[in-house]
Amino acid sequence: EAGVAQSPRYKIIEKRQSVAFWCNPISGHATLYWYQQILGQGPKLLIQFQNNGVVDDSQLPKDRFSAERLKGVDSTLKIQPAKLEDSAVYLCASSSIAGGHNEQFFGPGTRLTVL
Amino acid sequence: LAKTTQPISMDSYEGQEVNITCSHNNIATNDYITWYQQFPSQGPRFIIQGYKTKVTNEVASLFIPADRKSSTLSLPRVSLSDTAVYYCLVKRRAAGNKLTFGGGTRVLVKP
Repeated sequence: EAGVAQSPRYKIIEKRQSVAFWCNPISGHATLYWYQQILGQGPKLLIQFQNNGVVDDSQLPKDRFSAERLKGVDSTLKIQPAKLEDSAVYLCASSSIAGGHNEQFFGPGTRLTVL
Repeated sequence: LAKTTQPISMDSYEGQEVNITCSHNNIATNDYITWYQQFPSQGPRFIIQGYKTKVTNEVASLFIPADRKSSTLSLPRVSLSDTAVYYCLVKRRAAGNKLTFGGGTRVLVKP
């Protein structure tokens, strides 16, 4: 079974520029999450989708961050304009609501450096 | 919000058993306790989950006392490859299985 795919793996931009990250979840997983992980800290949930609807975006800085999951499959997270403090790893995860532990499967992340 | 408290770091040696205790005093009736492992440059990976008493799988054991206000992750006979950050989380069933990560415990396994 293929895991969660993310691209790019690394991105370096200057402040005030825009950047977008892409995530393809595990096939059949209805729930998709975006996390931000700053160096030395645990991941922080930015947004959670159930199919193509937003379940929780309470910690998403909506003045500069946006995310979409138009067809209920893959998703993009955008930052516009980027700030120095946005330097972090952006993790995408997915889970199935079909029973079991409902565990989240994480992708490898995109490491963003804002100069 | 079910906050968890766990040690910042622990050192161990190959072949030893590592026990990480986590406190979650305000856990709710429908919440589960779940543990994730994260290696450098990778996303977290699910290890084990439990509700009460003891759960064991091929990787670890999870001990949960009757009051459920704490839990202990046990890693038997660790190897160098078990060096990682281990996160204790309370899965909020009432909030769509939302996970709130804390700082985790950095486990260093020495030869």
